[in-house]
This record gives sequence, structure tokens and C-alpha cells, in this order.
Amino acid sequence: SYALTQPPSVSVSPGQTATITCSGNKLGDKYTSWYQQRPGQSPVLVIFRDNERPSEIPERFSGSNSRNTATLTISGTQAMDEADYYCQAWDRYTYVFGSGTKVTVL
Amino acid sequence: EVQLLESGGGLVQPGGSLRLSCTASGFSFSSYAMNWVRQAPGQGLEWVSAIGGSGNNTFYAESVKGRFTISRDNSNNTLYLEMNSLRVEDTALYYCAKDVVVVPGAPGFYFDSWGQGTPVTVSS
Repeated sequence: SYALTQPPSVSVSPGQTATITCSGNKLGDKYTSWYQQRPGQSPVLVIFRDNERPSEIPERFSGSNSRNTATLTISGTQAMDEADYYCQAWDRYTYVFGSGTKVTVL
Repeated sequence: EVQLLESGGGLVQPGGSLRLSCTASGFSFSSYAMNWVRQAPGQGLEWVSAIGGSGNNTFYAESVKGRFTISRDNSNNTLYLEMNSLRVEDTALYYCAKDVVVVPGAPGFYFDSWGQGTPVTVSS
């Protein structure tokens, strides 16, 4: 079955850039979405179709996808960005979520 | 405003059954695929099942195939998940999530709205 691999955790200082990767076989050939989940809350879409951002999501969130890796970048990270982040793709009639990355803002 | 309200969760013994519901409002329900996604305590998101807008296309994760059945009632804007032969490992918070495409997996998909989830505990 298709697997999406993410680093378990990423630490970043306030105002710095957080980079979260999502790796999968030929992931660049698929659309990737990203979701943010704060503790005790439902997931929220932050990036869709690799690099598009819902209107309510701050511009500091951006995405890219090439070859085998999709990347979520948070520029000028704020304390409120501390959360779990999941990538998502579709493969062979199933949706797949990445293992999730906990972003800690130190 | 899109609203998704899950219900039907609870405590059930291994081998038992449960039926989850998700009542939708604020959008044209039949125009979009719908999904169930679960999250075990302290774990990540796991997609469970998807159904197309018409109800004709259904898809399942391998972990639930043959035990769970997804369905929808477009006249009542309700999504269902019938869960049979439940296992301890099915214990999770079950979310319903709205897709932006009518057929699951269509190019450009993503889940733009999520409910608050309904908890399912499988334990003896």
C-alpha cells in the first residue's frame, strides 16, 4: 500500500521558517493537501493542490511538490502555528494521510 | 456555512456493531463526495472510507474492508458508516469530512470541512 512519510517533529523559533516534508513514491505526480490540527481540535485545511491556500489561511503558509517529496513551509512562524500537520494524497482508490509532524515553536 | 455533525459513537464490545451518522448542512450535499476519517487516541489521521455524491462509488481502507459499509441519504443530507465485527483497534474518534469533488480521488480533491467527531470505544 502507498505510504507517506513525514518527520515526527520539527522545532522552530518564533519568526523563523519551519519546513515539513512528506515523502512518497512519485508523489510529485499526485496532488497533495496539507492539514493543521491543533490539540483537541478537528483538522483544518491549510494547503490544497500542492501549493494553493484557502483564503482564510495566512500567507506565511506555502507548499510545493516535486518528484518524491511535498513540502509545507511556514514562514515567520508564530506561536499559534504550533500543531500537528498531515499531508494527504490519493493512490489506487484510497486516500492516504502522512504519519504527521508535530511542529513545536520554541 | 458548512456544518457537519457526527453522532452514534459509543462503547461497544469486540465483535459488536455500531452505526455512525453525519448530518450535513450549508451546502448541496449530493454534489460532493464524503469521507470518514478516524484518529486513534494519541495517533495520526487514518482515512476510513469515501463515497461519491450519487452514492454509487464507494472506497475503503484495507483495515476496514469487508467490515464497514459507507452509505448516504441525499434526501436527508446524511452520511452513514455501518461498522460490524468491531475490533479493539477500531477505537478512535471518527470524523466525517466533506470533499470538494463529486467522485473520490478526482483530480484536485481535498477535504475542505470537517466535523467535530464522534468517539468509538471497542472494549470488553
